[in-house]
Amino acid sequence: SQTIHQWPATLVQPVGSPLSLECTVEGTSNPNLYWYRQAAGRGLQLLFYSVGIGQISSEVPQNLSASRPQDRQFILSSKKLLLSDSGFYLCAWSRAGSNTIYFGEGSWLTVV
Amino acid sequence: GESVGLHLPTLSVQEGDNSIINCAYSNSASDYFIWYKQESGKGPQFIIDIRSNMDKRQGQRVTVLLNKTVKHLSLQIAATQPGDSAVYFCAEKYSGTYKYIFGTGTRLKVLA
Repeated sequence: SQTIHQWPATLVQPVGSPLSLECTVEGTSNPNLYWYRQAAGRGLQLLFYSVGIGQISSEVPQNLSASRPQDRQFILSSKKLLLSDSGFYLCAWSRAGSNTIYFGEGSWLTVV
Repeated sequence: GESVGLHLPTLSVQEGDNSIINCAYSNSASDYFIWYKQESGKGPQFIIDIRSNMDKRQGQRVTVLLNKTVKHLSLQIAATQPGDSAVYFCAEKYSGTYKYIFGTGTRLKVLA
């Protein structure tokens, strides 16, 4: 069966520090991968999605970037965090050609 | 961590009763819909999906109804249990894209 792992689960970082959130998917090949952010009382906002290694599409211009160095690895990064980057970040995957998205457990980021 | 559902509409249901959670979607061209359940501090969990060429789909204790005329989606949970307490939200997928739009959610509280 397929599983998705996301870490760290919680993170407290000072303003201006870098960020790296990692996500890996097991049990499938060539998945579509996604990074979402969920703010309190609001719907999920798509940040990035990837259909293959090195292929990243950005949905929202922002202080964040994403990379896909391996088929089942997706990384969310920032060089300098802002207070407004605080939130709940979710990695997700879907099979190529399938519509259903499955989410990881999420990472709580607090920028102080 | 911070709650992602601080000011959501809330549906309170007596244990054993049926629950109906509603969602209005925005795009008449959306071709696929998903219901998710999200417990506090966790990632969204897939419940059930439906394609736009269907108007009803049943799972285990759950039924999704799609009314394309009024762009309305509902999730019915039969014999609601305490473990059903969570935030539920719908997602619509724009036809021909990877883009999903997520609702803000409804908090379901099951009363013992």
